[in-house]
Amino acid sequence: GQSLEQPSEVTAVEGAIVQINCTYQTSGFYGLSWYQQHDGGAPTFLSYNALDGLEETGRFSSFLSRSDSYGYLLLQELQMKDSASYFCAVREVQGSARQLTFGSGTQLTVLP
Amino acid sequence: EAQVTQNPRYLITVTGKKLTVTCSQNMNHEYMSWYRQDPGLGLRQIYYSMNVEVTDKGDVPEGYKVSRKEKRNFPLILESPSPNQTSLYFCASRVTGGTEAFFGQGTRLTVV
Repeated sequence: GQSLEQPSEVTAVEGAIVQINCTYQTSGFYGLSWYQQHDGGAPTFLSYNALDGLEETGRFSSFLSRSDSYGYLLLQELQMKDSASYFCAVREVQGSARQLTFGSGTQLTVLP
Repeated sequence: EAQVTQNPRYLITVTGKKLTVTCSQNMNHEYMSWYRQDPGLGLRQIYYSMNVEVTDKGDVPEGYKVSRKEKRNFPLILESPSPNQTSLYFCASRVTGGTEAFFGQGTRLTVV
């Protein structure tokens, strides 16, 4: 089986930096993805880490430590529009396919 | 425009009345999948398809059927819906081996 844990809620102020952690337990691990979802809309892809280290894309960065089964999403210079749910997802082998299994999501609220 | 299109966006139905939620993608993706999203549970995979005529169960397949007769279409069928299938449903597609999944806008289903 597999499991992912991430905080259910995080609150921060505009302009601040916030880190959303994700720990996972799975076999057949390939990589860790992050998705953003606004108000029940379509989840959208943010980043993917297959190797240890930090990947940076603009204000967002994602980190992975395979040995610790841990990753995080770092959001810098927070803006009001960053208020959303953020999901970590492991890419793993299940049966004959590489599947995407999601965590339960972290609701980020950005305050003015 | 590259997209995944689901229909309908909203549906209220009665217990036992068969329904189909359609999903179509225009990106020539081999891999398609269906998820349901419930509060506090994140996105859980119902069924997936690795290509035409190749489908398999995800984590929560009970009460659902799928078919993949064409590459672009992957309908979700509820032959006898029950209230516990009230949920937000998402269709997603990606290239085989790809790291980014593209999601439809979601179908909010209520079964009374």
